[in-house]
Order: sequence, then structure tokens, then C-alpha cells
Amino acid sequence: SQQGEEDPQALSIQEGENATMNCSYKTSINNLQWYRQNSGRGLVHLILIRSNEREKHSGRLRVTLDTSKKSSSLLITASRAADTASYFCATGSGGSNYKLTFGKGTLLTVNP
Amino acid sequence: EPEVTQTPSHQVTQMGQEVILRCVPISNHLYFYWYRQILGQKVEFLVSFYNNEISEKSEIFDDQFSVERPDGSNFTLKIRSTKLEDSAMYFCASKRDSPLHFGNGTRLTVT
Repeated sequence: SQQGEEDPQALSIQEGENATMNCSYKTSINNLQWYRQNSGRGLVHLILIRSNEREKHSGRLRVTLDTSKKSSSLLITASRAADTASYFCATGSGGSNYKLTFGKGTLLTVNP
Repeated sequence: EPEVTQTPSHQVTQMGQEVILRCVPISNHLYFYWYRQILGQKVEFLVSFYNNEISEKSEIFDDQFSVERPDGSNFTLKIRSTKLEDSAMYFCASKRDSPLHFGNGTRLTVT
């Protein structure tokens, strides 16, 4: 798999349910970031987790990072229809955490 | 909240023509980037720019591409002679520290 691969590719849930998206990567990283993209729009930064952190929270978002497994997960709790978007993980590595490598993303659909 | 703004939102051009995509990064940011996303594919890094020079570029960023920060506020991406495969969303981004702040993109369609 390539750096920053998300799964599932698509996820459809009902409003109020939790959504979990996973990301795997191959090389060592400085940090891992999650972005959201509404259709046809730009990328919005959601949360950054550094390589020495294991878990981070921001509102209804919870991100975990397991560097031994080279994987991360994004949990959105109590989902809303407005959470419908594509979610991407992006890794910053090699001392240049400004150069991000993105995955293909998970398309999340939250049905009202 | 300050934003990265990109113009135009959609550009249609003929193969072989030059295009310039424009971006106004957030004013106190120091690092500037271009990324692109071909429809249905990953967001790909093109180039980063710091201290008035390119700091890193990808294999995609060949001699047909150039960037410029002509006046301290605008940041432009020029494609000298567009090809069909240049059709994509082009995102500008900037940062001071982490994270990157992205614009809404310019959809480039090459016909």
C-alpha cells in the first residue's frame, strides 16, 4: 500500500452513529494530519497528531496513532448530516512536515 | 478567520496555452505550496516555496511549471504549455507553523 492509505474507501451511516476511518502509512513520520474536503471545495485541517502522541481529541473528533503499526484512526462521534465529506489522512515526514503525502480518502455519507 | 484565496475558481483553456493560477496566502504566513488533485485521485504535492525560492518540488513539477511570488502577497503557478493531463484541481496552501491552510482550489480544464 502507499503512504497514507485510508479505509474504508466509502462509509455510509445514519445520523447519530459514530464513524471510524483508518489510515495506514509506510515510512516513519513526524506527524499525521486529518483533513476534510467537501465536494468541490478545499481541504480543511481537522487535527494533527505528532509521532510521540497516541491519542488526541478535538470536539467530536478523536484521533489515535499507533506508530508501531503505522496506523491511525479518526473517530467522529454522534455524526451529523453536515459531516458528509471526504476525509484524508496526510503524513509529514523527513524533517519537512510541510510536505504532506495524502491518501485517497474515505467518502463519508451521513444519512439524516 | 483569515483564508487562502484562489482565483479563478474555474479555468478552461486549450491545449498548448499558458495558464496562470493565482493565490493570495494568509498574510503572515511564510511557507507556500501548490498541490493538485486529478479527479478521483489523491491530492499530490507539486512544490513548496520559502524565502523567495523553491524549497522542494515533485517529479510532476517539470519545466512546464513555475511559481512566483511577485509582490509579497500573490503566489502564482504558471503552466507554460498545458496538456490534457494537466486537468485537475489545483490547491494553494500556506503556513507559518503547522498546519497547512488550503484554498478552495482552481479547477483547470484543458480541452
